[in-house]
Amino acid sequence: DAGVIQSPRHEVTEMGQEVTLRCKPISGHNSLFWYRQTMMRGLELLIYFNNNVPIDDSGMPEDRFSAKMPNASFSTLKIQPSEPRDSAVYFCASSTDRAITIVPTGYTFGSGTRLTVV
Amino acid sequence: AQKVTQAQTEISVVEKEDVTLDCVYETRDTTYYLFWYKQPPSGELVFLIRRNSFDEQNEISGRYSWNFQKSTSSFNFTITASQVVDSAVYFCALSLNAGNNRKLIWGLGTSLAVNP
Repeated sequence: DAGVIQSPRHEVTEMGQEVTLRCKPISGHNSLFWYRQTMMRGLELLIYFNNNVPIDDSGMPEDRFSAKMPNASFSTLKIQPSEPRDSAVYFCASSTDRAITIVPTGYTFGSGTRLTVV
Repeated sequence: AQKVTQAQTEISVVEKEDVTLDCVYETRDTTYYLFWYKQPPSGELVFLIRRNSFDEQNEISGRYSWNFQKSTSSFNFTITASQVVDSAVYFCALSLNAGNNRKLIWGLGTSLAVNP
């Protein structure tokens, strides 16, 4: 099992540029989460998909952020235009339905993408 | 409202000391799940334990132990005989059994430094 795969691992971009972060969940997992981690705000859930459908996007900071899940094996998080305050580590996690009642780990996280906007 | 509080921002100990990381949660739900994750300097989030609200038994795994007390809404984590490799940020999280929503509510983490 390759785990949750995120790319790129690091991204440095200039303010105003478009940034796309990618995530491949574990095969068979039908829930996918995007999190953002900063020193000031800790781990924040941005959006959560279940069966490729966005269930809760209340954490998406503003219209500059958008997320898609065109199929069960791929998701993107796009920031356009990027700003320095978007600098953070972005984590993707996946799980199965009712994972927290069946699978002890609940969620499997990717290694994260460290985004720096200068 | 649901909330997880890790009051200790940073802890520093000397190797072989025991250390307890505190976690206090708030929820009105009767069914919920509590987690501890470790984030070492390399940055990945490593699952440590899950506990459901109906299981108040304490758990021990090697040098790690967890004390779940519903009466005080606490789920504390103790490392016995700490080692330098235990240096990491530790997160406590709460997940509700809320239908289709699988949000995890996170504490802000406790940064543990174990010095040789």
